[in-house]
Amino acid sequence: AQSVTQLDSQVPVFEEAPVELRCNYSSSVSVYLFWYVQYPNQGLQLLLKYLSGSTLVKGINGFEAEFNKSQTSFHLRKPSVHISDTAEYFCAVRSTNDYKLSFGAGTTVTVRA
Amino acid sequence: NAGVTQTPKFRILKIGQSMTLQCAQDMNHNYMYWYRQDPGMGLKLIYYSVGAGITDKGEVPNGYNVSRSTTEDFPLRLELAAPSQTSVYFCASSYDRRGEKLFFGSGTQLSVL
Repeated sequence: AQSVTQLDSQVPVFEEAPVELRCNYSSSVSVYLFWYVQYPNQGLQLLLKYLSGSTLVKGINGFEAEFNKSQTSFHLRKPSVHISDTAEYFCAVRSTNDYKLSFGAGTTVTVRA
Repeated sequence: NAGVTQTPKFRILKIGQSMTLQCAQDMNHNYMYWYRQDPGMGLKLIYYSVGAGITDKGEVPNGYNVSRSTTEDFPLRLELAAPSQTSVYFCASSYDRRGEKLFFGSGTQLSVL
């Protein structure tokens, strides 16, 4: 079984400042990793994913994440946030031999002018 | 494109009542999932299906039932509603076995009083 820990429950940030959301996972087998975003009153949307290959993955809306196998981490970053990035962000993990996603508890990002 | 459609959007139930949350997708996806989202807890998998006629339990199946008679529909049934089932419910679907991208519905907010 796999699990995900998001280390920050809330992250306030000023507009145009950088943001990093931390995610650590545990699994006894190889994994695929994902970040999803949930805007207010909406379902989740995929931001980016790591399946294999380059450990630095780029997603939509200027987000990127780096897979670090030795530290079992998959932190999400954006160099300059906008008001519209205010949302809840979920890290998720799936074992390569399964098709069920396990989600973290989420990080609420609030961007202020 | 409709994507994943959930109905109703909101519902209030009394303890002991029953109801069915509807979920339909028009993308011909084989894999469908039901999650519940509780504050600070992330998303927990209730049930999933890998195709018509095939369903299986997720992490938190107690108090729920599902059926999958067609590829398009995946209803979730609550037989005897309890306050612990107050939550936001999300249906999701994916195209392939790896579930590399889930498409989510907009959710059903359920209160059991």
